[in-house]
Amino acid sequence: AQSVAQPEDQVNVAEGNPLTVKCTYSVSGNPYLFWYVQYPNRGLQFLLKYITGDNLVKGSYGFEAEFNKSQTSFHLKKPSALVSDSALYFCAALRGSTGRRALTFGSGTRLQVQP
Amino acid sequence: DAMVIQNPRYQVTQFGKPVTLSCSQTLNHNVMYWYQQKSSQAPKLLFHYYDKDFNNEADTPDNFQSRRPNTSFCFLDIRSPGLGDAAMYLCATRTTGDYNEQFFGPGTRLTVL
Repeated sequence: AQSVAQPEDQVNVAEGNPLTVKCTYSVSGNPYLFWYVQYPNRGLQFLLKYITGDNLVKGSYGFEAEFNKSQTSFHLKKPSALVSDSALYFCAALRGSTGRRALTFGSGTRLQVQP
Repeated sequence: DAMVIQNPRYQVTQFGKPVTLSCSQTLNHNVMYWYQQKSSQAPKLLFHYYDKDFNNEADTPDNFQSRRPNTSFCFLDIRSPGLGDAAMYLCATRTTGDYNEQFFGPGTRLTVL
């Protein structure tokens, strides 16, 4: 069975400081991993994905994520947090066969950036 | 702008009264998904369409049905809503490529009285 874990319910960081939101995965076969962000009363927005290639993936709004196969992790990072980054972040892994691909989401991490 | 649209944004229904939520997209994507999300939890996939091919998740209750009359529209029917069905319902789309990201609509928040 495939699973995605986000061990922190909430992460607090001061504006201007670097942030990390953690994600670990357990999949059979090659992992295909995604990060999404959700603002209050809104749908999810895609940030970035790892399919293959470089372990450091760059995405929207200055976010990046580091894929680490040995640690089965895909942590989301940003060098300098903004108050506007405060939101709910979901890590997800792709599952299923061709034509039936779907995402398994982690439980989410609420990021709070303090001014 | 190309987008995923969900109507209504807020829906109130009574216990046991059928309700239909709608999703439309101008992206011309082949694949459409319906998710249920409760209280900032992880979105839970209910079912998805790959073109007209319907895929139901094993644990989706029979109370939930879906229709996709054409590429642009997809509907979620809740035949007899219970209090436990109160949630945000999210529609998402993606293109055919297996590894492409999903585009989400803003969601419909369903309240069951």
